[in-house]
Amino acid sequence: EPEVTQTPSHQVTQMGQEVILRCVPISNHLYFYWYRQILGQKVEFLVSFYNNEISEKSEIFDDQFSVERPDGSNFTLKIRSTKLEDSAMYFCASSVGQGVWGSSVADTQYFGPGTRLTVL
Amino acid sequence: AQKITQTQPGMFVQEKEAVTLDCTYDTSDPSYGLFWYKQPSSGEMIFLIYQGSYDQQNATEGRYSLNFQKARKSANLVISASQLGDSAMYFCAMRGVGDMRFGAGTRLTVKP
Repeated sequence: EPEVTQTPSHQVTQMGQEVILRCVPISNHLYFYWYRQILGQKVEFLVSFYNNEISEKSEIFDDQFSVERPDGSNFTLKIRSTKLEDSAMYFCASSVGQGVWGSSVADTQYFGPGTRLTVL
Repeated sequence: AQKITQTQPGMFVQEKEAVTLDCTYDTSDPSYGLFWYKQPSSGEMIFLIYQGSYDQQNATEGRYSLNFQKARKSANLVISASQLGDSAMYFCAMRGVGDMRFGAGTRLTVKP
């Protein structure tokens, strides 16, 4: 069964460094997402991406963050200058569709296994 | 604004028994989708079940069913015949217009 993959599974970085988290969405999916989950807390939406551009972003997704689909398979999240509070699990997800009203099973988002980012 | 509430931080159930995990939501969107995800200790998010707001029937997927009460704005997950492998965090999520929002989660522990 097709699945979303993410690399690396764990990334340790120094504060102020740039990190790139990588994802390969399910091949026939058109919509891609990044979420984060700070340890023990709820899953928070960061950004959605369709047709090579951002379709929505949250207030968390500030100028330090960027996303890119550099080729036909990868979807990346870049954090330019990491802060201690960026330490979290980062999930990539993808879906076939993203109906305007979110009321179709095609909107179901399938998540990757996550990348645990630790900022020291 | 959309809001998802899971009021049970932790639940215990005996193996082979059924358990209901509560989820209520608040939205003004006329159409929306409700989702449940399972997060085992290994950390991945596993999709379990989907319910559309206009679906006439409650969704079922194997041992999972969704008790959808639209007027009460509740979408409770029912797990029948609990297994030890069901021990995990369970998140309710909703998407209408805009991004998907998650509840705080319920930690389910299945006792042998």
